[in-house]
Amino acid sequence: GAVVSQHPSRVICKSGTSVKIECRSLDFQATTMFWYRQFPKKSLMLMATSNEGSKATYEQGVEKDKFLINHASLTLSTLTVTSAHPEDSSFYICSARGSGGLDGYTFGSGTRLTVV
Amino acid sequence: QKEVEQNSGPLSVPEGAIASLNCTYSDRGSQSFFWYRQYSGKSPELIMFIYSNGDKEDGRFTAQLNKASQYVSLLIRDSQPSDSATYLCAVLIQGAQKLVFGQGTRLTINP
Repeated sequence: GAVVSQHPSRVICKSGTSVKIECRSLDFQATTMFWYRQFPKKSLMLMATSNEGSKATYEQGVEKDKFLINHASLTLSTLTVTSAHPEDSSFYICSARGSGGLDGYTFGSGTRLTVV
Repeated sequence: QKEVEQNSGPLSVPEGAIASLNCTYSDRGSQSFFWYRQYSGKSPELIMFIYSNGDKEDGRFTAQLNKASQYVSLLIRDSQPSDSATYLCAVLIQGAQKLVFGQGTRLTINP
């Protein structure tokens, strides 16, 4: 149980375009989803927390207009990187939590974004 | 002071030995503690979580929690080369939904 699917696994896009990353909970209802960013050899940096049906809560320093998060259903959250630039290149990882306890913090497989 | 601190390593351990990974946290009200393993280029995978003082064992892994000292550790017995990875300690801060991660310890098991 507690499987989180993230797509795409890799994406290369041109500078100035937008990229959408999907995070789905496959076998549970994710009341809360988290979006992280990770630079090489660094730890996870929480970008935002999204609860189904409400606006995401962004961490300090994260541009909400640049990183659009939508959590429209209990199984799907999306992160859209708008007007991407090379400095947005990173490893983006989602995590989902259901209502069922401490083992519900499950990570997706991550998305490697490269902006050229 | 960082909320969750780990020695970044690298920690080098011979195959078959016990690897000991340590983590301290600053919020005394923290309730739940997680250990994740992350291979290079992959997302973290949960090894185990602990919320009671003492030891919790799962196969070759043992998590140890000491809330008085605000310290949590992970022991890996009979270390294998496949255990070589970065190990992330995470703490669920009291009253929050989110996990706070340490910077991770890079572990290398030498054959």
